[in-house]
Amino acid sequence: DQQVKQNSPSLSVQEGRISILNCDYTNSMFDYFLWYKKYPAEGPTFLISISSIKDKNEDGRFTVFLNKSAKHLSLHIVPSQPGDSAVYFCAAILASNYQLIWGAGTKLIIKP
Amino acid sequence: DSGVTQTPKHLITATGQRVTLRCSPRSGDLSVYWYQQSLDQGLQFLIQYYNGEERAKGNILERFSAQQFPDLHSELNLSSLELGDSALYFCASSPRTMGDIQYFGAGTRLSVL
Repeated sequence: DQQVKQNSPSLSVQEGRISILNCDYTNSMFDYFLWYKKYPAEGPTFLISISSIKDKNEDGRFTVFLNKSAKHLSLHIVPSQPGDSAVYFCAAILASNYQLIWGAGTKLIIKP
Repeated sequence: DSGVTQTPKHLITATGQRVTLRCSPRSGDLSVYWYQQSLDQGLQFLIQYYNGEERAKGNILERFSAQQFPDLHSELNLSSLELGDSALYFCASSPRTMGDIQYFGAGTRLSVL
């Protein structure tokens, strides 16, 4: 039972344009969401997070939007740069036991 | 550099064997987490230790076990290895609990032949 879903295995975006990565979840008890970025042969690195009491969090070129009614969050990267090419994981924290539930990841490819 | 060190980087072994993966957390972090990433799969949480004690358990097989030592480093033991155990194994650490941001090591790539 996948509680956190990233339905797009890959996404290709032109350099300079906006990249939008999507994540859906099923458990309304999640109260914190995180995005991690992973390069090949490296471990994931934390990118940005959002609490369930907010609907937007921004950090430089990265913005995460949370729509609780739709159980959907998205990561916007603007403008997209070649160094953004990586796999992006969405993760959610379950309030009851603080377990971190991960999505399967979306591979973002930035085209020059 | 995340500050989390995993050794070895690569491990090649045969079915039926036993291996030990080692993780040194960031200085000051009390929690250690182990994850498995199979080919084209997401991260599967295996187990968490906090200050030497098991705190949370995920999809960890009975053939797998882990421990966290007094110096806070952790070891993941995989026994009776099967072909399907071939994967990347990541260790992460955080200051306290699962609610903290986790910092990941570079992983150990295990190949079971």
